[in-house]
Amino acid sequence: AQSVTQPDIHITVSEGASLELRCNYSYGATPYLFWYVQSPGQGLQLLLKYFSGDTLVQGIKGFEAEFKRSQSSFNLRKPSVHWSDAAEYFCAVGALHSSGGSYIPTFGRGTSLIVHP
Amino acid sequence: DSGVTQTPKHLITATGQRVTLRCSPRSGDLSVYWYQQSLDQGLQFLIQYYNGEERAKGNILERFSAQQFPDLHSELNLSSLELGDSALYFCASSPRRGSSYEQYFGPGTRLTVT
Repeated sequence: AQSVTQPDIHITVSEGASLELRCNYSYGATPYLFWYVQSPGQGLQLLLKYFSGDTLVQGIKGFEAEFKRSQSSFNLRKPSVHWSDAAEYFCAVGALHSSGGSYIPTFGRGTSLIVHP
Repeated sequence: DSGVTQTPKHLITATGQRVTLRCSPRSGDLSVYWYQQSLDQGLQFLIQYYNGEERAKGNILERFSAQQFPDLHSELNLSSLELGDSALYFCASSPRRGSSYEQYFGPGTRLTVT
């Protein structure tokens, strides 16, 4: 079965500093990979996705992620963090569900980003 | 705003009771997914409907059931509620049939069982 590991429960950065959130996945086939962001009291918003092609993908809000097959990783990066980026970030791998023909995302446990002024 | 709406926003009820959570997908989206988010389990997939038919089933308890109506809105029914059912319940929608290429999440319903 597929799984996603986000090794950092919390990450603290200063505003203006660069950011990298780690994500490792386990899946036997070519994965569909996603990063979502959840602000307090809100639902999840898709930041970016990888299906195939260029392994460096650009997303919204200045985020990017790089797929590294050899490392089974899909780390999220941002060159300069803003205070409004403080939120919970979830990595997910989309895999074919055992009960049907749907690709259902399996989510990591999330990384909470704290931004200091 | 994702375009997915969920009602109610908050729900407080007692153990043993039954509640219904409602979700309206984005206009034109045929797939609806239900998730449960708790501190213990994280974000868990419960069930998916596509155009009124159950498409995939995840970690959904037998006490829970869902359906999708002809107008594509969906309801998640939770019965014989237990304290451990307290969680955030999210609905998401997607235009595609067999994939989760793009899922748009609603704001969630926070259920508190006392």
